[in-house]
Amino acid sequence: GENVEQHPSTLSVQEGDSAVIKCTYSDSASNYFPWYKQELGKGPQLIIDIRSNVGEKKDQRIAVTLNKTAKHFSLHITETQPEDSAVYFCAASIWENFVFGPGTRLSVLP
Amino acid sequence: GAVVSQHPSWVICKSGTSVKIECRSLDFQATTMFWYRQFPKQSLMLMATSNEGSKATYEQGVEKDKFLINHASLTLSTLTVTSAHPEDSSFYICSAQPQGQETQYFGPGTRLLVL
Repeated sequence: GENVEQHPSTLSVQEGDSAVIKCTYSDSASNYFPWYKQELGKGPQLIIDIRSNVGEKKDQRIAVTLNKTAKHFSLHITETQPEDSAVYFCAASIWENFVFGPGTRLSVLP
Repeated sequence: GAVVSQHPSWVICKSGTSVKIECRSLDFQATTMFWYRQFPKQSLMLMATSNEGSKATYEQGVEKDKFLINHASLTLSTLTVTSAHPEDSSFYICSAQPQGQETQYFGPGTRLLVL
């Protein structure tokens, strides 16, 4: 079955710097890759997603890149702000079969 | 759009009682809903997948008689933790997948504490 790894497990950056979180997956049939942000005590919120027929997608300060050949995809956050501090989860899926990564705790230091 | 609600958000109960958690998709219809459990500082653990009008599919190691799931309509799924014990204390999160879409939208979660 699918296996998703995520690195780093924790990440601290200074406010205004960029943050990059990387995920790798094992099943080449996976074709949908969402990223979720989870704040303490809340449910995960979808922040961006990408499908396998696209290499890059951007939404304001957030971007995701996908390398199908290498089976990895990354989340890029630019100009980080304290409110970006949260746990971020990646996932690889084929329709309703989602496999989540273990999460990355991002801390943005003021 | 794509809002999922959960009720209650917080519940404390005595050991041996049953607790029902509701998950609703507020502005879309969801043929598939998912129930997750999350322990502190850990990732989401899928418990079961439910499709409207059919029996839920449980993940390995999840007791279906312990965690009863009902997906009665395209906007409502319920999880009942039967005869709850302290080890069932956890954060339970549902998600819903809109018809024809791959994305899952999550509810805010329900924190269960069994005394």
